[in-house]
Amino acid sequence: DIQMTQSPSFLSASVGDRVTINCKASQNINRYLNWYQQKLGEAPKVLIYNVNSLQTGIPSRFSGSGSGTDFTLTISSLQPEDVATYFCLQHNSWPRTFGGGTKLELK
Amino acid sequence: QVQLKESGPGLVQPSQTLSLTCTVSGFSLTNYHVYWVRQPPGKGLEWMGIMWSDGATSYNSVLKSRLSISRDTSKSQVFLKMSSLQTEDTATYYCVRDLAVAPFDYWGQGVMVTVSS
Repeated sequence: DIQMTQSPSFLSASVGDRVTINCKASQNINRYLNWYQQKLGEAPKVLIYNVNSLQTGIPSRFSGSGSGTDFTLTISSLQPEDVATYFCLQHNSWPRTFGGGTKLELK
Repeated sequence: QVQLKESGPGLVQPSQTLSLTCTVSGFSLTNYHVYWVRQPPGKGLEWMGIMWSDGATSYNSVLKSRLSISRDTSKSQVFLKMSSLQTEDTATYYCVRDLAVAPFDYWGQGVMVTVSS
């Protein structure tokens, strides 16, 4: 299985900050990477698919970049409603595998 | 609209068998794969097994000896059975829709299962 290493596992930031979260794949996954947001007690929601395509309805402050093995999720200006856990998912091959998650809190 | 909903017991005794049902609507099980994924409290996600759209199954090798996934297409349901439960199997269990062109696009709300006597 492809291993996805996500960092940091915990992040504390202030409203308005630029926030970046990283995922590294154990092998080349091309551009087959999604980012999800999971709020407490809720099911995960797709934010970005295929590295940088924003899911419908997701604010433009979310963006993604990368290719091959290294990927980044960026929140350009953190808002209070962005408090959540974020994780990446590779879908280059089966089984789909996940990053360990980043818990984002407000400072 | 597309929906997946997990159902099952919230509490299971150690050594017992867990049975969960994923009921889907808005799509056909013969056109989409369905994953079972779990998340222990405060931990990351782990894929458990796959019901492929053609009815075949695949399992995480770590769980394979304890896990069985099946389906009833007429009822739009996918079933998970896992035997010999231990406390470390305490987790929220999700079913998730998957397809190459739309990977993991819809998730169920999850069902919390606690393994305790």
